[in-house]
Amino acid sequence: TQLLEQSPQFLSIQEGENLTVYCNSSSVFSSLQWYRQEPGEGPVLLVTVVTGGEVKKLKRLTFQFGDARKDSSLHITAAQPGDTGLYLCAGAIPGGYQKVTFGTGTKLQVIP
Amino acid sequence: EAQVTQNPRYLITVTGKKLTVTCSQNMNHEYMSWYRQDPGLGLRQIYYSMNVEVTDKGDVPEGYKVSRKEKRNFPLILESPSPNQTSLYFCASSLSRRAGGYYEQYFGPGTRLTVT
Repeated sequence: TQLLEQSPQFLSIQEGENLTVYCNSSSVFSSLQWYRQEPGEGPVLLVTVVTGGEVKKLKRLTFQFGDARKDSSLHITAAQPGDTGLYLCAGAIPGGYQKVTFGTGTKLQVIP
Repeated sequence: EAQVTQNPRYLITVTGKKLTVTCSQNMNHEYMSWYRQDPGLGLRQIYYSMNVEVTDKGDVPEGYKVSRKEKRNFPLILESPSPNQTSLYFCASSLSRRAGGYYEQYFGPGTRLTVT
């Protein structure tokens, strides 16, 4: 059972366009992270959101954690070819142990 | 340089031939984990370890074994590999999460395994 569903699965856009990637679940998470993975490499952390309703900005990337801490979104403004990659959300399951579940991933291609 | 290393990076083997993928981290992290990545399924956790001699199953542990005899090393063992274990494998490490806290996982470069 996949706890975290990401949409869209694939996205191909022109340089300069805006886009939003969604990460949804019926479960509550204590924190949620977004990673970016480039071909041939492991995922690299972009941001962690902890509080319901929290918004974080990382240059042209805006991350939001849903009020109920069940969903999150990643918005990219004026996408660049360097944004190309696989975007993964990862939710930490509440409790005293280190359980984390990853989303299905969104593959983004930004065409120059 | 802080890093997670995995070896080998690529491996082609045959069904039933035992293999071990090594993972080592130099950040003194307590927590280590193994994932497999398959198209359309994202990253799925195989096993994780909260500290030396403490391991637990993730979401897809069948067919895999792990051990954590030293803090820095967390090898993944496939006793009798099968074709359905063909995948891209990642090792990751992080500090242990404190109550109410969160942690960043540092990933290795991946091991692409093909079982024929």
